[in-house]
Amino acid sequence: AQTVTQSQPEMSVQEAETVTLSCTYDTSENNYYLFWYKQPPSRQMILVIRQEAYKQQNATENRFSVNFQKAAKSFSLKISDSQLGDTAMYFCAFSLPTGNQFYFGTGTSLTVIP
Amino acid sequence: DGGITQSPKYLFRKEGQNVTLSCEQNLNHDAMYWYRQDPGQGLRLIYYSQIVNDFQKGDIAEGYSVSREKKESFPLTVTSAQKNPTAFYLCASSMDTPTNEKLFFGSGTQLSVL
Repeated sequence: AQTVTQSQPEMSVQEAETVTLSCTYDTSENNYYLFWYKQPPSRQMILVIRQEAYKQQNATENRFSVNFQKAAKSFSLKISDSQLGDTAMYFCAFSLPTGNQFYFGTGTSLTVIP
Repeated sequence: DGGITQSPKYLFRKEGQNVTLSCEQNLNHDAMYWYRQDPGQGLRLIYYSQIVNDFQKGDIAEGYSVSREKKESFPLTVTSAQKNPTAFYLCASSMDTPTNEKLFFGSGTQLSVL
């Protein structure tokens, strides 16, 4: 069975500081994709960053970066220079290359404090 | 602009009534999905479809039905058999190409029981 665990239901960070959101997953597959999605108060799901498991280099998108540890099955998201607009629910997810199945964690609610 | 359109934004259901949530995409994606979102439980898969005229049950399909008569459309019916339908429903789609696999989401429908 494929599972995704986000152990931090809520987090907060001061504006302009750095915060790291944790995610672990469990799969017996060797090839898969990992994602972080953001859901702001509007509830529109937005893709933040995507990582392919066969790539060793960690993905980065502007202020967002990941720490992908394949052996530990860990996929944390680092947000640098936090902004008020980063306040949202963040979901970790992964998918397998066949079957079009996506698996989501329960989310981490992040609040950026001015 | 390409995207996924969900309607209505808010929907109210009377006891014993079936209601249908609309989902339309113009991204030319093969795969489409319905997720249910409850507070603290993340996203749970209701149904998904990889191709026209074919669909598969997800983790919580009981009390729901879908159809996929056109590539662009994947409506979800919440039947009277679903005893706890109050939730936020998200429709999504994806390309069936491993090199670009990710989910695109609609803006969601909030369903409440009168």
